[in-house]
Amino acid sequence: GIQVEQSPPDLILQEGANSTLRCNFSDSVNNLQWFHQNPWGQLINLFYIPSGTKQNGRLSATTVATERYSLLYISSSQTTDSGVYFCAVERYTGTASKLTFGTGTRLQVTL
Amino acid sequence: DGGITQSPKYLFRKEGQNVTLSCEQNLNHDAMYWYRQDPGQGLRLIYYSQIVNDFQKGDIAEGYSVSREKKESFPLTVTSAQKNPTAFYLCASTWIGGGASGNTIYFGEGSWLTVV
Repeated sequence: GIQVEQSPPDLILQEGANSTLRCNFSDSVNNLQWFHQNPWGQLINLFYIPSGTKQNGRLSATTVATERYSLLYISSSQTTDSGVYFCAVERYTGTASKLTFGTGTRLQVTL
Repeated sequence: DGGITQSPKYLFRKEGQNVTLSCEQNLNHDAMYWYRQDPGQGLRLIYYSQIVNDFQKGDIAEGYSVSREKKESFPLTVTSAQKNPTAFYLCASTWIGGGASGNTIYFGEGSWLTVV
């Protein structure tokens, strides 16, 4: 199956700082999503981005499908950004999604 | 509000008991999923269903069972055969068929299961 690696595993930032999270995957994919899991366990979908660039407020994501990686940018970080960020990928679409998740990047934003 | 409702939030199970976790969605999604998350780990797929009365095993189906009698409901039973059931369980749902948002997946708030 597809392997998904995320880096860094842990990240501590001061409020206001910027950061870049990376997701590498081992095969071509048709489905790539970024998620944020808050400290209470709720998983929120941030981006569906199998290729290209998208932006949503202070967050943006870029996937370079030909080089098999995706980046999540967080600008002007806030304490509410704390939690775990997951990347998940899948090779096929058009059927139920069998996403493969990375082990996540744990982000802590301090005052 | 549209969304996915899981219950209970917290559940304690004695060894040898079966327990059932509920998942209901009102998003009119075709597919539903159950994932397991262990501390510090990513999510692993237990079972999924694309249509009523049909479901498939995921990567870690042993010791679990599911049913899909209604489009809105996909309960998960953790049986006594699951030797290490203590974990966080997440239910999810998606459309099927791609499109601009693809198979964007939506999650419930999760259920914490502890074996005592």
